[in-house]
Amino acid sequence: AQSVTQLDSQVPVFEEAPVELRCNYSSSVSVYLFWYVQYPNQGLQLLLKYLSGSTLVESINGFEAEFNKSQTSFHLRKPSVHISDTAEYFCAVSSTGFQKLVFGTGTRLLVSP
Amino acid sequence: NAGVTQTPKFQVLKTGQSMTLQCAQDMNHNSMYWYRQDPGMGLRLIYYSASEGTTDKGEVPNGYNVSRLNKREFSLRLESAAPSQTSVYFCASSEGQPGTYEQYFGPGTRLTVT
Repeated sequence: AQSVTQLDSQVPVFEEAPVELRCNYSSSVSVYLFWYVQYPNQGLQLLLKYLSGSTLVESINGFEAEFNKSQTSFHLRKPSVHISDTAEYFCAVSSTGFQKLVFGTGTRLLVSP
Repeated sequence: NAGVTQTPKFQVLKTGQSMTLQCAQDMNHNSMYWYRQDPGMGLRLIYYSASEGTTDKGEVPNGYNVSRLNKREFSLRLESAAPSQTSVYFCASSEGQPGTYEQYFGPGTRLTVT
């Protein structure tokens, strides 16, 4: 069975500071990994994904995540956050032929001035 | 292009009442999903439909039924609501299997059962 662990339920950070949101997964087969973002009172939106190829993937708004197979991790990073990045971030895992995404419990990023 | 739409946005039910949550997508996607979101528990899959005419149970199907009415529409029914079903419900769709295709989410339905 697949599972995702997001150890930090909430991460407070000041504007322009760097941030890392941690995600670890468990799976016995090759995985596909995703980060989704949920802004207040909205549905989830895809932020970035790893399917294959380069282990470092980037989003259009400055986030990046690195697939680390040996550590079974897919941590999300941003070198300098903005107030507008305040949201809840969900890590998710799936695999070939698997009809479902398994989501982590989410990390609330709180950016303050 | 509206994406994924859900109705209603908010609903309050009394214990034992029934209701149907509606979901529609206009992206010609094959797969559709119903999730519930509860604080500290992330998103949990209730039911999904890999293609028109098929439905399968997810992680938490008890107390719910679904209908894939056609390729566009996927409804979720609560036959006899319970306070434990108080939650935010999200519908999602994807072109194909979620392993490689992005899921697009609706805005959610906030349901309270008293």
